Amino acid sequence: SQTIHQWPATLVQPVGSPLSLECTVEGTSNPNLYWYRQAAGRGLQLLFYSVGIGQISSEVPQNLSASRPQDRQFILSSKKLLLSDSGFYLCAWTSDNSYEQYFGPGTRLTVT
Amino acid sequence: QQQVKQSPQSLIVQKGGIPIINCAYENTAFDYFPWYQQFPGKGPALLIAIRPDVSEKKEGRFTISFNKSAKQFSLHIMDSQPGDSATYFCAAAGRAQKLVFGQGTRLTINP
Repeated sequence: SQTIHQWPATLVQPVGSPLSLECTVEGTSNPNLYWYRQAAGRGLQLLFYSVGIGQISSEVPQNLSASRPQDRQFILSSKKLLLSDSGFYLCAWTSDNSYEQYFGPGTRLTVT
Repeated sequence: QQQVKQSPQSLIVQKGGIPIINCAYENTAFDYFPWYQQFPGKGPALLIAIRPDVSEKKEGRFTISFNKSAKQFSLHIMDSQPGDSATYFCAAAGRAQKLVFGQGTRLTINP
């Protein structure tokens, strides 16, 4: 069966520090991968999606970037965090020919 | 056109009641409509989904009703239980497989 992992689970970082969040999927190959951000009490905002290694599409211009160095690995990064980057970051995947999107457990980021 | 509007924002129902959550969309290219359930501090879990070629889909106590002409769909929870208390999100997707989410409904089922 397929499993999606995210780490770290929680992170507290000062303003101006770098960020690296990691997402990995097990049990499938060539998944479509997604990064979302969820502000407190709000819906989910799609940040990036990827259909393959090195292929990244950005949905919202911002302080963040994404990379996909391996087939089942998706990384969210920032060079300098802003207070507004605080939130709950979720990674998700679908198989290439399916709409069903499955989410990871999330990373709670607090920028202080 | 990419928005999905969800209502109500919050809902309180007694145990055994039937909470109903509604969503509306504008983009007629959407052809997949899922509902997600999210507990505090957890990632959303896919609950049930429907395609526009059917008007209703049931899975256990959860039912989606779909009205293509009105561009609306809703989630009904039969015989609701306190364990159903969570935030529910509707979403819609077109051929690009990118989900557009509603703003969520915080559901509370009182015992």
